[in-house]
Amino acid sequence: TQLLEQSPQFLSIQEGENLTVYCNSSSVFSSLQWYRQEPGEGPVLLVTVVTGGEVKKLKRLTFQFGDARKDSSLHITAAQPGDTGLYLCAVLTGGFKTIFGAGTRLFVKA
Amino acid sequence: NAGVTQTPKFRILKIGQSMTLQCTQDMNHNYMYWYRQDPGMGLKLIYYSVGAGITDKGEVPNGYNVSRSTTEDFPLRLELAAPSQTSVYFCASSYGVAYNEQFFGPGTRLTVL
Repeated sequence: TQLLEQSPQFLSIQEGENLTVYCNSSSVFSSLQWYRQEPGEGPVLLVTVVTGGEVKKLKRLTFQFGDARKDSSLHITAAQPGDTGLYLCAVLTGGFKTIFGAGTRLFVKA
Repeated sequence: NAGVTQTPKFRILKIGQSMTLQCTQDMNHNYMYWYRQDPGMGLKLIYYSVGAGITDKGEVPNGYNVSRSTTEDFPLRLELAAPSQTSVYFCASSYGVAYNEQFFGPGTRLTVL
């Protein structure tokens, strides 16, 4: 059983559509991170959320941390081909080790 | 700054061969990590280091070894390569403070035949 469950696993949409991806767990976390990984590259941190109910915006991306700090969502408005990639959620565990979810692979068609 | 660099980018090994994946960072980070990424499985932590001379096991350490003689370098050694070690390997580093943003290298794609 994965500590972090991400859904959907794969999403293919047209340019201009909106989408939401999810990261869920039965555990409570002090913070949660979202990374984006483009094909052939390593992941890059997008955001860290730390407060239950917190909403952070990064241009067309909106991140929300659940009130109980067990889950998070990422909403993309008017998706563009440049948003194509693997979106990973991650949490810190003891000793500065990070656990990653399996990711949502997003493909935005022009 | 080059950030985190990894060599080689690609490698094909035969079963039983050994190799070392190189990782170097120029950000003076204390923490360094090795992950493997299998299709549909996200990133799994192999080993990590909190400073020169200090290493510890992650989730999937079997079949691998590491050393950390300097702050900058964190090589990953594969002994007796097996097909199950076919994967993409990522090295990462961080300051090890606050929320521990990790900076990743471009990865090494390894195939064991």
